[in-house]
Amino acid sequence: QVQLVQSGAEVKKPGASVKVSCKASGYTFTTYAIQWVRQAPGQRLEWMGWINAGNGNTKYSQNFQGRVTITSDTSATTAYMELSSLRSEDTAVYYCAREFDYGDYPYAFDIWGQGTMVTVSS
Amino acid sequence: QSALTQPASVSGSPGQSITISCTGTSSDVGNYNLVSWYQQHPGKAPKLMIYEGNKRPSGVSNRFSGSKSGNTASLTISGLQAEDEADYYCCSYARSSTWVFGGGTKLTVL
Repeated sequence: QVQLVQSGAEVKKPGASVKVSCKASGYTFTTYAIQWVRQAPGQRLEWMGWINAGNGNTKYSQNFQGRVTITSDTSATTAYMELSSLRSEDTAVYYCAREFDYGDYPYAFDIWGQGTMVTVSS
Repeated sequence: QSALTQPASVSGSPGQSITISCTGTSSDVGNYNLVSWYQQHPGKAPKLMIYEGNKRPSGVSNRFSGSKSGNTASLTISGLQAEDEADYYCCSYARSSTWVFGGGTKLTVL
């Protein structure tokens, strides 16, 4: 079935970087974009950016510009989100989600990964 | 990019209807018919409930409906059931291939 499976929980120190993976299966990886969304404990969902898995084009939220890098490996059908210069406020669950502007659910995130908890603590 | 504005909480009794509003600007909600709504139970990933403002994905109950007027989108849940108790988030496509989420609304079924 269609699914996105993310890498496991991470604990990082302030100033470090974290790289979270999102492996796709059950559909044609390069047809869809992979979006990244985070949720701090008890807080709202926050959009971070996306990658076109077909051509590698990316777009980032201004809130993370310069600190986030989203990449993909088509042979591994996996997308990655790397966040650098971590601070305590980056402690959150990070989700990947599938999206396709011209698919069955345009401009909506129809399949989500299970989430990856990233804890930033000294 | 500011978050869309949602009420922090709403509540209703089983069988009743509730509506959750989502207010944006002319740069997002008001400019596109591309609002989606997500249901999130504690500790779980969000689930798509409404897309393109008023369309339901296959498998989503017809008790869920969406609408929009100007810069405000709305999600209505009719015939409230205990399992509807969750957090609900709106999300809108905005200019330049970006998206913005709402602050989230906690629905309590009394």
